[in-house]
Amino acid sequence: DIVMTQSPDSLAVSLGERATINCKSSRSVFYSSKNKNCLAWYQQKPGQPPKLLIYWASTRESGVPDRFSGSGSGTDFTLTISSLLAEDVAVYYCQQYLSTPHTFGQGTSLEIK
Amino acid sequence: EVQLVESGGDLVQPGGSLRLSCAASGFIFSSYAMSWVRQAPGKGLEWVSLITSGDNTYYIDSVKGRFTISRDNSKNTLYLQMNSLRAEDTAVYYCAKCDTSYYFDYWGQGTLVTVSS
Repeated sequence: DIVMTQSPDSLAVSLGERATINCKSSRSVFYSSKNKNCLAWYQQKPGQPPKLLIYWASTRESGVPDRFSGSGSGTDFTLTISSLLAEDVAVYYCQQYLSTPHTFGQGTSLEIK
Repeated sequence: EVQLVESGGDLVQPGGSLRLSCAASGFIFSSYAMSWVRQAPGKGLEWVSLITSGDNTYYIDSVKGRFTISRDNSKNTLYLQMNSLRAEDTAVYYCAKCDTSYYFDYWGQGTLVTVSS
């Protein structure tokens, strides 16, 4: 199984500042047939189901604000929130969908400093 | 509008069985893979099972031989039959629609399964 490890486990950032969450996979999630990385990011707010933010490591889902961006390739990926808003307080998860089981990272809890 | 509505969660004793359902609408159900993802109280997300549009099925090791995922395209419904339930199966179970490449573009609100005596 591919193990997904996020860092940090929790993060406190001031409003308007940049937030960066890292995700590392135990082996590459690059899908050569599509020349893309099978890596998604989700946001989960308390009492709600997760919401898709980013797929193919860097493609923003429709309707997701452009302050959210994804980057990385192979085994190392990053979710960046360029200017933090209060509504961004949530837990963020990365997930690989290259091979089953389609494992998630342990989550990163983002709060306001 | 895509909607996924789970049902069937309940309190069940260890060793018992339960069947979860997920009623789907707003998309061509038969054309997409579907999954179950669970979240134990206060914990992270755990991918549980997937069924493709062609009825191929996949499971995490901890539920293999105990859980069965299935779908009824005539009813636009996804199922998860859970047998030999254990305390560690206690979680909110989410139904999720896969995009064509298996990331989850839509999620249900979840149904709570509690395994306890």
